[in-house]
Amino acid sequence: GQQLNQSPQSMFIQEGEDVSMNCTSSSIFNTWLWYKQDPGEGPVLLIALYKAGELTSNGRLTAQFGITRKDSFLNISASIPSDVGIYFCAGQLWAQLSFGAGTTVTVRA
Amino acid sequence: DGGITQSPKYLFRKEGQNVTLSCEQNLNHDAMYWYRQDPGQGLRLIYYSQIVNDFQKGDIAEGYSVSREKKESFPLTVTSAQKNPTAFYLCASSIDGSDASYEQYFGPGTRLTVT
Repeated sequence: GQQLNQSPQSMFIQEGEDVSMNCTSSSIFNTWLWYKQDPGEGPVLLIALYKAGELTSNGRLTAQFGITRKDSFLNISASIPSDVGIYFCAGQLWAQLSFGAGTTVTVRA
Repeated sequence: DGGITQSPKYLFRKEGQNVTLSCEQNLNHDAMYWYRQDPGQGLRLIYYSQIVNDFQKGDIAEGYSVSREKKESFPLTVTSAQKNPTAFYLCASSIDGSDASYEQYFGPGTRLTVT
């Protein structure tokens, strides 16, 4: 698979905050996907992006497909405690997905 | 309810034994995938199948084998040749494996521990 760089590696959120994470690659992709994984469970698809420049929302989540087709970002607005988990980006080229290493979101005490 | 099931949730084996992980889907999806997840890493593709009786190696196929005799089933065997088999294994499926269908849906995973 292709190499995806996801950042930040981890972040702390306070309830009500807006948070942002992104994914970059040296390769272009045809599709970007964002998943959330709770501990010990399988990833759940949050948002799928199909065209360069596309901006898509799913509730408090907003994601964009970068115009160069080499990057994508995910924003979470007005964080709530159940937003904690690991968020993965995935890029699609041909029949396979390549995954980033994930951003771990934790609640700040 | 449509979905992907993986069993068992936890599996323990002794080193040197082969073990088979189950994956079943009732989504009528053509394509199925097996991934391995290690702490702090992204998902790595082991094998995938776009159609019954056909499958291809992913990035880390060594020490693993699969079969696809039925559309709804894609079992993964972790053989004794796999050097570091302890990991969380995830099965996924998509409508088909062509460029026209990109969204993969995941099962709940099987955590395999080999001692």
